[in-house]
Formats: sequence, structure tokens, C-alpha cells
Amino acid sequence: GAVVSQHPSWVICKSGTSVKIECRSLDFQATTMFWYRQFPKQSLMLMATSNEGSKATYEQGVEKDKFLINHASLTLSTLTVTSAHPEDSSFYICSARARTMNTEAFFGQGTRLTVV
Amino acid sequence: LAKTTQPISMDSYEGQEVNITCSHNNIATNDYITWYQQFPSQGPRFIIQGYKTKVTNEVASLFIPADRKSSTLSLPRVSLSDTAVYYCLVAASGTGRRALTFGSGTRLQVQP
Repeated sequence: GAVVSQHPSWVICKSGTSVKIECRSLDFQATTMFWYRQFPKQSLMLMATSNEGSKATYEQGVEKDKFLINHASLTLSTLTVTSAHPEDSSFYICSARARTMNTEAFFGQGTRLTVV
Repeated sequence: LAKTTQPISMDSYEGQEVNITCSHNNIATNDYITWYQQFPSQGPRFIIQGYKTKVTNEVASLFIPADRKSSTLSLPRVSLSDTAVYYCLVAASGTGRRALTFGSGTRLQVQP
């Protein structure tokens, strides 16, 4: 199956700093990528939809100025957590779907963010 | 989007067959049913997908009755490494621009 690579796998940062997470589709073009956040023992919650060449669409309650999304190419989307605070500590997962009749989605390995 | 309902948790023993049922009463005509597996601190991994009747691959089987209002994921002879959270999702075909919505999932614990 297709591969989605996410980097870094884990990151620790100080409160007030910014962190960038990259999501790459390695063997297919993903015009749309999705960013999820997952807290311990909970399900994945969609944060935003990243569209190549246009602005991201954010879910209700997600601050667009805090979670900056850039979809610079058909294979790369980035999520930047700005002015991170301890409550932003979570597991962030990206996903991409190919534009085919198959509805399978491919997920990155996730990024564990810890803000201290 | 069709809402899914699954048991919160299930327990099993090594070597047993595990069946996890998901209800999706509002499934639409062009919706497919897909199951994902997630281990702690990893992204979800595709297990199996189907539209109707039965689908089987090397790791699981998926049973879908004629009315498609439910589906059952069957894991034959589970091992300890099958301990994970299993998510049932329904989504329409040809909608690559729409995200998959995750329900609560079923936490499967396999014991020796």
C-alpha cells in the first residue's frame, strides 16, 4: 500500500516555542491531507483538512492561528504548532487519501509532542 | 456521515477467534466499510475494507449482511500482538478530499 511518512516521531519543546511537523506521501500524490490529534485513551479527532495550493479548512474549535498548516506540494503538508503550551501536548497524526474509487486512507506514524 | 457504534472493549485469549461487530444504521448507498487497527503511539493501519457480503484477506475477514446496517470484523486465532484498538469507519467512494471520521473504537485485550 501507499506510504505516508511523518517527521519527527517525537519532539519535546519548551513552552512558548513553535514546532513543525512534516507529512509526506512517498509514492502517490495527495492533493488533500488531513491532520488529527489524539489524546491518551481517546479516538482520533480531526483538526483540519490541508489542500494543496489553498488554505486549510479547520474544524470547529481548532485555532487556525495556533495550528498553521501549509500544503506546499502534492506530497508535503506541514503542521506548525505556534507558541506551544503544555495543553498542546498530544499525539498528532497526518493522513492522506488518493483520489481513486477506493476509500482507503493512509496514515503517518504519528508525532508525539511534549511541551514542557 | 454515517455514525458507527462499536463495543468499547473486548477481552480474548490467545488462539481464539474474535468477532467485533459495528453498527452503522445510516450507511449510504455509496459508502464502503473499512476497519483500521491502531497500536499505542502509532498511526492507524488499514486492515480490511468491504461493501457487501464477505471479504477475506491474510489477516481478517469482514462480514456484511444484506442490509449493510452492521458489519463484523473477524480475527482468526488472535495472538498477544493483536492487542490494539480497532476502528470501524464508513465513507463514500471517490471522496478523496473528505476526511475519515473516527468513532470510539474497540479496545481488544488478548491475554495468554
